[in-house]
Parts: sequence; structure tokens; C-alpha cells
Amino acid sequence: DAKTTQPNSMESNEEEPVHLPCNHSTISGTDYIHWYRQLPSQGPEYVIHGLTSNVNNRMASLAIAEDRKSSTLILHRATLRDAAVYYCILREDSYDKVIFGPGTSLSVIP
Amino acid sequence: NAGVTQTPKFRVLKTGQSMTLLCAQDMNHEYMYWYRQDPGMGLRLIHYSVGEGTTAKGEVPDGYNVSRLKKQNFLLGLESAAPSQTSVYFCASFGDTGELFFGEGSRLTVL
Repeated sequence: DAKTTQPNSMESNEEEPVHLPCNHSTISGTDYIHWYRQLPSQGPEYVIHGLTSNVNNRMASLAIAEDRKSSTLILHRATLRDAAVYYCILREDSYDKVIFGPGTSLSVIP
Repeated sequence: NAGVTQTPKFRVLKTGQSMTLLCAQDMNHEYMYWYRQDPGMGLRLIHYSVGEGTTAKGEVPDGYNVSRLKKQNFLLGLESAAPSQTSVYFCASFGDTGELFFGEGSRLTVL
């Protein structure tokens, strides 16, 4: 299974942009890059996903490196509600095993 | 449209007791998953299903059994609960948009 690596923790000031990195050097051509986040005492929630091109939605942006070996989740303006654990995962086109790593714990400082 | 619903939300068991966690989704999804999350840890895949009547092992399947008799339901069973199975259990299903939908979790304590 392809794996991802993320920093254990990051800090950001409120109202500033946050760039959360993810390395996936063994990614295959059909693997989708997904990001989820988990607020305290809640189940994970979907943030964004992409295959090759950069993606934007109302929650965040996903920047994918040209060689696809890394990606960055961008929160344009961090709020206190964005304090959560962020998971970067790879999903094969077949929808089989979906494995989560430990993720990055994001703290937002008022 | 309730999404993914887990039952029960809380349960306390004694060592050796058995129980079943029910996951129900009303979105007609083919793929369903059971994860466990220990305090301060990430999610670990227990079992998953790629369609009605199918199940497969994940990362940590030992001590658990699953069944997918109906497309909308994915059951997780503990035949003989152990304290090491104290955890929060999350069920999830995959939609056509590629988005994984999670339930609210079931908190299990084994004494």
C-alpha cells in the first residue's frame, strides 16, 4: 500500500494562511490524494481530494506537485474552528483498503 | 437522508462478553469500512466491504468479525471482548464523488 508522511504537529496564528504538507513518494498513477480532518470528539470529515491538478473548494485548496510525490493542503485563513487533526491519505482507484496515518495536529493561536 | 448512522453510541462490556456494532447508510454506497481509534492515535482499518455479501481484512482484524448481508448495513462483532478492544469505533462509506462519509463513532469500554 502506498503511504503518506506528515509532520506530527503544526501551529498557526488565527486569520493567517496555513500550508499543511504531505509526502507520498511511492504514489502510483491511479492514486487519488485525499484530505480529511477530525475535530475533537468527532468523526473525520472530508476536506478535498485531487488526482493531478490543483483543486479548490469552499473549505481549502489542494496543491499537487508536478511529480505527484507531495501535496499541500492550504487553508487560506485559519480560524479557531480549524484546529483539528488533518489526514492525508491515498485512495486507489479500486476503492479498496483506505489506510489512515497519524495525521498532523493543527493548533490555531488566537 | 441520515448519512452514516452507528448504533450504539456508547457501550460498556465486561471481559469475555460479546456484542455487535451496527453501521447503517442510506446513500446506496457499495464500499463500507470499520475503523478503530485509540486515544491520541490515528484511525486503523479493521475490516471493509466492497459490496453486499463481501468482506475483507484490514490492518487490525484479529478479535473482530463482520458481515454485510444487506447493502445498507455493515455489522462489526466482538465474540469475546478484551480490554485491549476499548476504543472508539468509526464506520464509513464511500460515495460516487470519492468522498468518505463517517459516522459519529461508537465508544466502547471493556472492563
